[in-house]
Amino acid sequence: GAVVSQHPSRVICKSGTSVKIECRSLDFQATTMFWYRQFPKKSLMLMATSNEGSKATYEQGVEKDKFLINHASLTLSTLTVTSAHPEDSSFYICSATPGLGVGVGDTQYFGPGTRLTVL
Amino acid sequence: DAKTTQPTSMDCAEGRAANLPCNHSTISGNEYVYWYRQIHSQGPQYIIHGLKNNETNEMASLIITEDRKSSTLILPHATLRDTAVYYCIVRVKGSWGKLQFGAGTQVVVTP
Repeated sequence: GAVVSQHPSRVICKSGTSVKIECRSLDFQATTMFWYRQFPKKSLMLMATSNEGSKATYEQGVEKDKFLINHASLTLSTLTVTSAHPEDSSFYICSATPGLGVGVGDTQYFGPGTRLTVL
Repeated sequence: DAKTTQPTSMDCAEGRAANLPCNHSTISGNEYVYWYRQIHSQGPQYIIHGLKNNETNEMASLIITEDRKSSTLILPHATLRDTAVYYCIVRVKGSWGKLQFGAGTQVVVTP
């Protein structure tokens, strides 16, 4: 149980185009999803928190107009990288948690990641 | 936010127990200790978590000191597939489950 999928697993695009990445919780409903990015040999950096039916909360320094997040249902969140440039090339990973985690030891389950390369 | 300190890397022999330490001296009373691991080019995998009692599951055991300032993740019989970066994370207090990843420990299991 607690499987999270991402699509696509790998994408190559030209500079200036937009790319959409999907994150799905396959066997549970996720009220909260998170988006991370990871550069080579670096740790994961949280980009934003996505709650179903409301606007995402972005971490400091993350451009919300650049990285559009939509959490339209309890099993799907999407990240759109708009007008992508080579510096946006990275490994993008989502995670999902079954319930609101305020002060509770619930668990985040991660997707397999999406490798984005912008030429 | 409580920070964690882990060794940069560790080697261990296949079939032996791997003991991964983590210091979290500024942890608050209602913060949990989580362990994840990340195999190269994959998403992180949840291993185990605990508050103050020792925990065990099919993957590992978590030993938390009585003062909760440090913990140890134990992989009882390391295999080559356990080679990964292991992250010890203290839950961000008052958040909606955010996890702040540090540098982790690169564990290499050798035959």
